[in-house]
Amino acid sequence: GENVEQHPSTLSVQEGDSAVIKCTYSDSASNYFPWYKQELGKRPQLIIDIRSNVGEKKDQRIAVTLNKTAKHFSLHITETQPEDSAVYFCAASNAPGGSQGNLIFGKGTKLSVKP
Amino acid sequence: DAGVIQSPRHEVTEMGQEVTLRCKPISGHNSLFWYRQTMMRGLELLIYFNNNVPIDDSGMPEDRFSAKMPNASFSTLKIQPSEPRDSAVYFCASRLTGLGNQPQHFGDGTRLSIL
Repeated sequence: GENVEQHPSTLSVQEGDSAVIKCTYSDSASNYFPWYKQELGKRPQLIIDIRSNVGEKKDQRIAVTLNKTAKHFSLHITETQPEDSAVYFCAASNAPGGSQGNLIFGKGTKLSVKP
Repeated sequence: DAGVIQSPRHEVTEMGQEVTLRCKPISGHNSLFWYRQTMMRGLELLIYFNNNVPIDDSGMPEDRFSAKMPNASFSTLKIQPSEPRDSAVYFCASRLTGLGNQPQHFGDGTRLSIL
């Protein structure tokens, strides 16, 4: 089955700096990769996702890149702000075609942005 | 859209008691997922349903755990008898499956404490 590895487990940056979180997956059939942000005591919320037919997607200060050959994808946050502090989870769909399968989550990265 | 609705938000009970967690998925979504989140184990999938049918329950830890989805708008997760190690935050999520890759949307969770 699919296995998703996420690094680093913790990340501390200064406000205004960039943050990068990396994930690798094992199942070459996976084709959907969402990222979730979870603030303390709250539910995971989708912040961006990417499908395997594109290599990069950007939404304001957040971008995700996908390398299907290497089976890894990354989240990039630019101009970080204290409100970006949270736990970020990557995930991959574990069924061919993606539409019927479940998501396999990484272990999460705790991002701290220092003012 | 009211989002995924879970109840109760908090539950404190003594070990040995039966616990029932409830979830109402987003209207129109046909897949429902139950997750457990702890500091030690992260976000774990317990079971998921497609069109009210359980598809994968390999994450259900023991026979003490059971889940049902009697109709498209309601699901329960039951623990009987409960044990202190069941203490965790339990999330329900739903998605629309069958129209390509769609994200899961999480409820606010039930924080369960077994004394």
